[in-house]
Amino acid sequence: GESVGLHLPTLSVQEGDNSIINCAYSNSASDYFIWYKQESGKGPQFIIDIRSNMDKRQGQRVTVLLNKTVKHLSLQIAATQPGDSAVYFCAEISNYGGSQGNLIFGKGTKLSVKP
Amino acid sequence: DTAVSQTPKYLVTQMGNDKSIKCEQNLGHDTMYWYKQDSKKFLKIMFSYNNKELIINETVPNRFSPKSPDKAHLNLHINSLELGDSAVYFCASSRLSGDYEQYFGPGTRLTVT
Repeated sequence: GESVGLHLPTLSVQEGDNSIINCAYSNSASDYFIWYKQESGKGPQFIIDIRSNMDKRQGQRVTVLLNKTVKHLSLQIAATQPGDSAVYFCAEISNYGGSQGNLIFGKGTKLSVKP
Repeated sequence: DTAVSQTPKYLVTQMGNDKSIKCEQNLGHDTMYWYKQDSKKFLKIMFSYNNKELIINETVPNRFSPKSPDKAHLNLHINSLELGDSAVYFCASSRLSGDYEQYFGPGTRLTVT
């Protein structure tokens, strides 16, 4: 299987509990944010996005919260299931110079769901 | 039905060699990307191509050369491979250049010995 980086933050939750994964971003000019899920051995998969003119957006079992004041983004997963076990990345859009429209990924958090 | 596919899935090679990774998307998207993911899972964009034209090159060494024969394909050629090139390389595509919902391929794990 794929090895996991030793420095990857890890969140361990019990099946059925709610999970909250946090992300701090640095660019106050970023105006679009995305959460991706990466299962072992696979590529990242889009989960949910939010624009900077919103502070909350809900999907199926997932909610993204954006706090622009402290440059903080969170992903809440309701009733976490074993299939939610993965590495979760937040990504922001940087519009500076030659990086216009570029996705800048955060470090990632590994979510482990205990049955 | 694979949306974004990459070959090979694993690639082991020696320093100094030249290798290529192929990527194809059947989504009809106009924009394709190459990302590098290091051992700490950090993902960084390398290239972006919109309808066969390069639009981003994020300070990648010129040993890396993307080639797009048509908008459904974006191949990555790497010359004179170095140990530091070992990583997982992901291809991705999106409908338009400004469309941030990107679809990723399964990745190619490159190991340089």
